[in-house]
Amino acid sequence: AQKVTQAQTEISVVEKEDVTLDCVYETRDTTYYLFWYKQPPSGELVFLIRRNSFDEQNEISGRYSWNFQKSTSSFNFTITASQVVDSAVYFCALSEADTGANSKLTFGKGITLSVRP
Amino acid sequence: DSGVTQTPKHLITATGQRVTLRCSPRSGDLSVYWYQQSLDQGLQFLIQYYNGEERAKGNILERFSAQQFPDLHSELNLSSLELGDSALYFCASSVGTTLPIYNEQFFGPGTRLTVL
Repeated sequence: AQKVTQAQTEISVVEKEDVTLDCVYETRDTTYYLFWYKQPPSGELVFLIRRNSFDEQNEISGRYSWNFQKSTSSFNFTITASQVVDSAVYFCALSEADTGANSKLTFGKGITLSVRP
Repeated sequence: DSGVTQTPKHLITATGQRVTLRCSPRSGDLSVYWYQQSLDQGLQFLIQYYNGEERAKGNILERFSAQQFPDLHSELNLSSLELGDSALYFCASSVGTTLPIYNEQFFGPGTRLTVL
């Protein structure tokens, strides 16, 4: 069975600090996909990134960066120079899609990030 | 805007009642997924339909049921409601090909259900 663990529940930082959100996953499949979603106070789910299990390259997008390490089954997310607008709940998720018709997501419990001015 | 619509946005009802949540997928998407986000359980997968047929089941209670209609919209029916059913219910849709590739899921804005 697949499982996603986000051990941090709440993180509070001061604006401009860097912050790393941890994600550890469990799966028996060799092909899988990892995701990060953001849920701002308004409630919608905002897709941030998808990574497949064969692509371990780290990715950077503006102030966001992701570190995927299969050896430790981790997919961590770093926000550099955090801003108040980054305050949200962040979810890590896993999909063991064998076909495109079966792509359900397993989510972690989420991390509530508060960025103080 | 993801292109996935959910109605209603908010729903307030009493224990023991029955409600129906509706989801219209993006044009052309064959797969519909339902997720529940509650304080107790977090964000969890409930059920998936693909082109009118149930494809996968998650932690969905027997009091809950869903269906996908010929026009591909889906409804989630919740009956004998309990206080603990209060949650945000998301619908997502994807193209849903049978190829071994991941199909992006697009999430709707959610329906917030409050059971009093």
